[in-house]
Amino acid sequence: QKEVEQNSGPLSVPEGAIASLNCTYSDRGSQSFFWYRQYSGKSPELIMFIYSNGDKEDGRFTAQLNKASQYVSLLIRDSQPSDSATYLCAVSTSGTYKYIFGTGTRLKVLA
Amino acid sequence: NAGVTQTPKFQVLKTGQSMTLQCAQDMNHNSMYWYRQDPGMGLRLIYYSASEGTTDKGEVPNGYNVSRLNKREFSLRLESAAPSQTSVYFCASRKLGDPSGNTIYFGEGSWLTVV
Repeated sequence: QKEVEQNSGPLSVPEGAIASLNCTYSDRGSQSFFWYRQYSGKSPELIMFIYSNGDKEDGRFTAQLNKASQYVSLLIRDSQPSDSATYLCAVSTSGTYKYIFGTGTRLKVLA
Repeated sequence: NAGVTQTPKFQVLKTGQSMTLQCAQDMNHNSMYWYRQDPGMGLRLIYYSASEGTTDKGEVPNGYNVSRLNKREFSLRLESAAPSQTSVYFCASRKLGDPSGNTIYFGEGSWLTVV
């Protein structure tokens, strides 16, 4: 089992819809959770991070964390074609300095 | 503010050749990382350096060596390149106590092809 798992997609949604991206992790000691966006040929850029169970909202983005289920998700409201990219989930465990990434989910927003 | 700078951006090597990927950050960050990214494999950690003077293996260290030259610079060396090392390499850095919450910041990537 991989430490961080994501569905590779592509996930296709129409413009204006909500895109839901999911990630599961195996290490119960994980404490910090991140969502990065990566456009083709570019480096990953941070969208959001979350530490606590529940929801965290930032503009059109909402990160959701459920530590009991070892599950973190990213919701993108009012999806735009410019949101089309690969979304990477990353997990960090305090004291280890390691960041483990999932393989990413490719999102396509159709105009 | 340049952030994390990697060189070279593109490189073609022949099997058995050696080379060093250079990385420097100007954000006064403590920790630095080298990842490789392959289709369908995501970002995999090669080596990391928690602080100046220390280095540790990540998930896929075989065939690589690293040097944390000082707080700013962290280099990745391929001693004898193999076609399996064809990949995109990303350097990243992180500052302890970063208010963004342990966020790591990436360089622009180095595209390496071994023929």
